[in-house]
Amino acid sequence: GAGVSQTPSNKVTEKGKYVELRCDPISGHTALYWYRQSLGQGPEFLIYFQGTGAADDSGLPNDRFFAVRPEGSVSTLKIQRTERGDSAVYLCASSPGSTNTEAFFGQGTRLTVV
Amino acid sequence: GENVEQHPSTLSVQEGDSAVIKCTYSDSASNYFPWYKQELGKGPQLIIDIRSNVGEKKDQRIAVTLNKTAKHFSLHITETQPEDSAVYFCAASRDFGNEKLTFGTGTRLTIIP
Repeated sequence: GAGVSQTPSNKVTEKGKYVELRCDPISGHTALYWYRQSLGQGPEFLIYFQGTGAADDSGLPNDRFFAVRPEGSVSTLKIQRTERGDSAVYLCASSPGSTNTEAFFGQGTRLTVV
Repeated sequence: GENVEQHPSTLSVQEGDSAVIKCTYSDSASNYFPWYKQELGKGPQLIIDIRSNVGEKKDQRIAVTLNKTAKHFSLHITETQPEDSAVYFCAASRDFGNEKLTFGTGTRLTIIP
């Protein structure tokens, strides 16, 4: 796989349920980002990992949102007690490092909370 | 925090004509300004970027200009083609990398054959 892979591509869940969204970055990329894109809007920053640690999680909207990257590669975005307002496309991006490098985006996971 | 405004929200141009999309930003510390193209069902793809030590950058039919004093930057696409139809986003960041990009609201560009 040459690009950033996100699974699932679509997820429908009931209000109140727990969901996990997965991101497989480009091999060797140390930086990984999560963004959320609502319909008709630009992506909004959620969290940024450099290696295994969250370098900046200031975009997470509340404590129902959590992300991990335990081995510095695959990342999982976890959402507890989902609400209808969480419906959006969740985008993951990776880059070789944190400076002077392009971020490559995945195709996103479309989350629908019903 | 940073605020990026983008105009217009929609733009239709005849094939072969030029298209211009403009963005303004609020944080004077921002120094990295990428432009992304997003096609339906896909993630954003970087098409060109500019850093604060450069006023203009060109790549074939695409150019970006930056005015740091006025805090605005623009995307110029010349000799537009049908495959240029997409949603375009500007973004800004404080670092020379891609940490915490703040995106504009997007411009839906339609090229009329």
